[in-house]
Amino acid sequence: QQPVQSPQAVILREGEDAVINCSSSKALYSVHWYRQKHGEAPVFLMILLKGGEQKGHEKISASFNEKKQQSSLYLTASQLSYSGTYFCGTESGAGGTSYGKLTFGQGTILTVHP
Amino acid sequence: SAVISQKPSRDICQRGTSLTIQCQVDSQVTMMFWYRQQPGQSLTLIATANQGSEATYESGFVIDKFPISRPNLTFSTLTVSNMSPEDSSIYLCSAPGTSGNQETQYFGPGTRLLVL
Repeated sequence: QQPVQSPQAVILREGEDAVINCSSSKALYSVHWYRQKHGEAPVFLMILLKGGEQKGHEKISASFNEKKQQSSLYLTASQLSYSGTYFCGTESGAGGTSYGKLTFGQGTILTVHP
Repeated sequence: SAVISQKPSRDICQRGTSLTIQCQVDSQVTMMFWYRQQPGQSLTLIATANQGSEATYESGFVIDKFPISRPNLTFSTLTVSNMSPEDSSIYLCSAPGTSGNQETQYFGPGTRLLVL
């Protein structure tokens, strides 16, 4: 089943913060976050494994709540370059037939204005 | 990370014809994956391309429509057969690569297909 992302779209001014959520009804092994700009391929941002860890990448960080099967992506002090569609991709099993297979949320469109 | 290239980058095709998309990875990988992204939509997994065995298709996708080849550990092709306008999409291949000490999927640039 497809994970559910919220919000569907968000509009920010430069310097503002945003949170994008990704929820699944299935037990998750990992959550992968990507950003896709119009006409381009998705670009990998970060991966979180079950264990409730939080990771950071410059001003973008993420958390994974294993009990809630939910991950959140935090964008702080947003820049114009953050604009794009953000996708979470979930992996439900460690190895076996689920290995490498990602099920993607519907995407969150982020627009940053000057 | 993995560096992935795809050919062609885009094409316009007539209905009823077939198009073969190529995907090349810069390192040897056991599995490669093919996704479809319909206009304005998310990515949907079509199939897993295993080297040395038949591809594994996801629900809703069949080999007759999307035959896949995997002749070696760095290359795969996806054919979109007997195309109709509903096949107009971006087709992306992906392959595993490492980020730090963790494995994720990296995507090729995509093939933008328009069927008339």
